[in-house]
Amino acid sequence: QKEVEQDPGPLSVPEGAIVSLNCTYSNSAFQYFMWYRQYSRKGPELLMYTYSSGNKEDGRFTAQVDKSSKYISLFIRDSQPSDSATYLCAMSAASGSRLTFGEGTQLTVNP
Amino acid sequence: GAVVSQHPSRVICKSGTSVKIECRSLDFQATTMFWYRQFPKKSLMLMATSNEGSKATYEQGVEKDKFLINHASLTLSTLTVTSAHPEDSSFYICSARDGLAGGYTQYFGPGTRLTVL
Repeated sequence: QKEVEQDPGPLSVPEGAIVSLNCTYSNSAFQYFMWYRQYSRKGPELLMYTYSSGNKEDGRFTAQVDKSSKYISLFIRDSQPSDSATYLCAMSAASGSRLTFGEGTQLTVNP
Repeated sequence: GAVVSQHPSRVICKSGTSVKIECRSLDFQATTMFWYRQFPKKSLMLMATSNEGSKATYEQGVEKDKFLINHASLTLSTLTVTSAHPEDSSFYICSARDGLAGGYTQYFGPGTRLTVL
């Protein structure tokens, strides 16, 4: 069983839709949770970072962590074609330590 | 945000040759750098963790004699793929952590696409 599970998609939505991306994990030691966006043939770019359980909002993006369920989510409101990318969840047990990535979900926002 | 560069962005080489990839942190000092490889439509697989001035720590299954890592300064780490073979063809990505600022964030480079003929 993988430590981090993420549906690879692909996910296709119309412009303006609310997008929900999710990951589940099995390692209860994970405390730090991140979402990265990766455009084709580029390196990942950090979108959101959350420590322990709770919500965090940044513009159109909201990250949620539910440690009791070992479940994290990223919501994108008013999705735009420029949001089309692969979204990777990542998590670690300690600050700055090695990251364990999900497989990534490929998202396409259609104009 | 912090900037990490990689060079070259793309390299094509013949089987049996060695290839060096550079990873630089441009506006911060990276006490720790990480090297990943990524296959098409797959996630990032950590290969090794590199700390400035010390030997790299390799993940299980990664051959340290094949993937040589040097982290000689706080702004530069290099990955050398020795005697490359077609199965080494992949997207190699580095990341760097600003340890002096006590940061948790890993900043990723743009990646290097290696094709071994």
